[in-house]
Amino acid sequence: EVQLVESGGGLVQPGGSLRLSCEASGFTFSSDWMHWVRQAPGKGLVWVSRINSDGSSTSYADSVKGRFTISRDNAKNTLYLQMNTLRAEDTAVYYCARAIRPGYAGFDCWGQGTLVTVSA
Amino acid sequence: QSVLTQPPSVSAAPGQKVTISCSGSSSNIGNNYVSWYQQLPGTAPKLLIYDSNKRPSGIPDRFSGSKSGTSATLGITGLQTGDEADYYCGTWDGSLSAVVFGGGTKLTVL
Repeated sequence: EVQLVESGGGLVQPGGSLRLSCEASGFTFSSDWMHWVRQAPGKGLVWVSRINSDGSSTSYADSVKGRFTISRDNAKNTLYLQMNTLRAEDTAVYYCARAIRPGYAGFDCWGQGTLVTVSA
Repeated sequence: QSVLTQPPSVSAAPGQKVTISCSGSSSNIGNNYVSWYQQLPGTAPKLLIYDSNKRPSGIPDRFSGSKSGTSATLGITGLQTGDEADYYCGTWDGSLSAVVFGGGTKLTVL
């Protein structure tokens, strides 16, 4: 069964840092492009970042560029999102998602999400 | 303000048909495939349609997708109470170099 499981969310103060993890199973993780998508409470989906299969190429939404870093460890089947200088507006459920095919902006598998709350 | 525009809500009776529109521009829908997602309350999004009109395995043919110019449409026939959810369209935007989503449409099955 194809599965993505996020972890690492929690309560953090403004200006703080947090690292999210997404453990993949049931498919060849090292072949797939991966993304992070977030959803603020009661709001819609917002794309955050993506990484190619070997980790050599990344891209970010303007709202997180310079503060967030996406990475992956294919030996551990795990995707990461390092979030620094967090702001209140970063409060959201963060989902990792698998791209249907390389370079494609559609996602066929999503994790259950992990909640990040940025508050003093 | 989302790049793609969806109606905030739609409603229809059980057994009826509903369509949800997704409007964009040449930098996104006009030149890229569209995906549609269903998000049931308290759950993660689920892929319904990809490549604008293809269904993943396991998605019933009650769900369909189409695209024309800079707009896309999700159709759902034979509505069931279990279809009550939020629906999102998504695609790539070449001008923004980013994945973009619509604001979401809440479907109510009366």
